[in-house]
Amino acid sequence: GAVVSQHPSWVICKSGTSVKIECRSLDFQATTMFWYRQFPKQSLMLMATSNEGSKATYEQGVEKDKFLINHASLTLSTLTVTSAHPEDSSFYICSARGASGNHEQYFGPGTRLTVT
Amino acid sequence: DAKTTQPPSMDCAEGRAANLPCNHSTISGNEYVYWYRQIHSQGPQYIIHGLKNNETNEMASLIITEDRKSSTLILPHATLRDTAVYYCIVTPDYKLSFGAGTTVTVRA
Repeated sequence: GAVVSQHPSWVICKSGTSVKIECRSLDFQATTMFWYRQFPKQSLMLMATSNEGSKATYEQGVEKDKFLINHASLTLSTLTVTSAHPEDSSFYICSARGASGNHEQYFGPGTRLTVT
Repeated sequence: DAKTTQPPSMDCAEGRAANLPCNHSTISGNEYVYWYRQIHSQGPQYIIHGLKNNETNEMASLIITEDRKSSTLILPHATLRDTAVYYCIVTPDYKLSFGAGTTVTVRA
């Protein structure tokens, strides 16, 4: 199957700093990418949907100015957590979908963010 | 407002078939049924999807009832590596809404 990578796999940062997480589709062009967040012992929650070259669509309750999403190319999307706080500590997972008509979403391995 | 209902957990024996039920009684005509699974601390993995016909691939089979109000994911020969949380999701598009899923534990 198609491969999606995330970088970094884990990161520790101080409160108030910003952190950028990259999501790459390695062997296909991702027209749409999704960002999820997962707190311990909870399910995945969709944060936003991004289409290449256009602004991301955020789910209700997700602050777009805090979670900046850029999908500048068909193989790369980035999520920047700005002014991170301990409550932003979570497992961030991206997924990518290829050409129209392809039902599968391919998920990255996730990024564990810890804000101290 | 959950669209699907799954048992919270189930055990199955290694080498036996695992049958995972999912209730989606309010499914609309244009909604697909998707199954994904998540092994601990990893990203979810696509398993299979269907609209109204039964489907089979190299990983599993999906049986959808005629009224489409429920479905069953079948793992034909469960292995220890199939231990994971299994999510049944219904959606008309590509936005996936994950519920609590079923925690499947395969025992030797």
